[in-house]
Amino acid sequence: ETGVTQTPRHLVMGMTNKKSLKCEQHLGHNAMYWYKQSAKKPLELMFVYNFKEQTENNSVPSRFSPECPNSSHLFLHLHTLQPEDSALYLCASSRLASTQDSNQPQHFGDGTRLSIL
Amino acid sequence: GEDVEQSLFLSVREGDSSVINCTYTDSSSTYLYWYKQEPGAGLQLLTYIFSNMDMKQDQRLTVLLNKKDKHLSLRIADTQTGDSAIYFCAENNRGSTLGRLYFGRGTQLTVWP
Repeated sequence: ETGVTQTPRHLVMGMTNKKSLKCEQHLGHNAMYWYKQSAKKPLELMFVYNFKEQTENNSVPSRFSPECPNSSHLFLHLHTLQPEDSALYLCASSRLASTQDSNQPQHFGDGTRLSIL
Repeated sequence: GEDVEQSLFLSVREGDSSVINCTYTDSSSTYLYWYKQEPGAGLQLLTYIFSNMDMKQDQRLTVLLNKKDKHLSLRIADTQTGDSAIYFCAENNRGSTLGRLYFGRGTQLTVWP
């Protein structure tokens, strides 16, 4: 069983739909991340949560809304997306509590492949 | 320009060694990572090296770090077709942004039988 589970694996939605991506980690980590992976572009960090608190929003458009109800679960709520938002969305987690832990490796889920029609 | 650079493609024959190279710019990086991504999957952590080390070996994998030149390499011995994947180099510890990793674009490794 993978330590980081993402659902759904694939999602096709229209630009006016509202959907949510879910991520769950079973590793006892306290930090969780959302990344966007597009073809021919470097991996883009979107959001960072540490102990349920958002510590970074990397200039992400408001049509992406993250939610972290506890250290094990992370959601990405999607609304009024654009075709250029089609990508692989990856969730990751790590043990991160202070600057001394900032070098703990991140563990990734298998991603949600999102297609916007 | 990008801060973590990798060549995009590498092709090797099965049984040969593969060497994937990476250069980075942040001299304050304390950890450097190698991740592997197979088709349809997320990133799998392969190995990582602390910046005060020159080399780390783990079975078929050897990581070499030249901190002076900011150059990192991943050598895969006896490369197998199952090693075909995209390999990402990543580094961290820029300023005070906790947990942030900076990734290269990835190197597509193709192993021919």
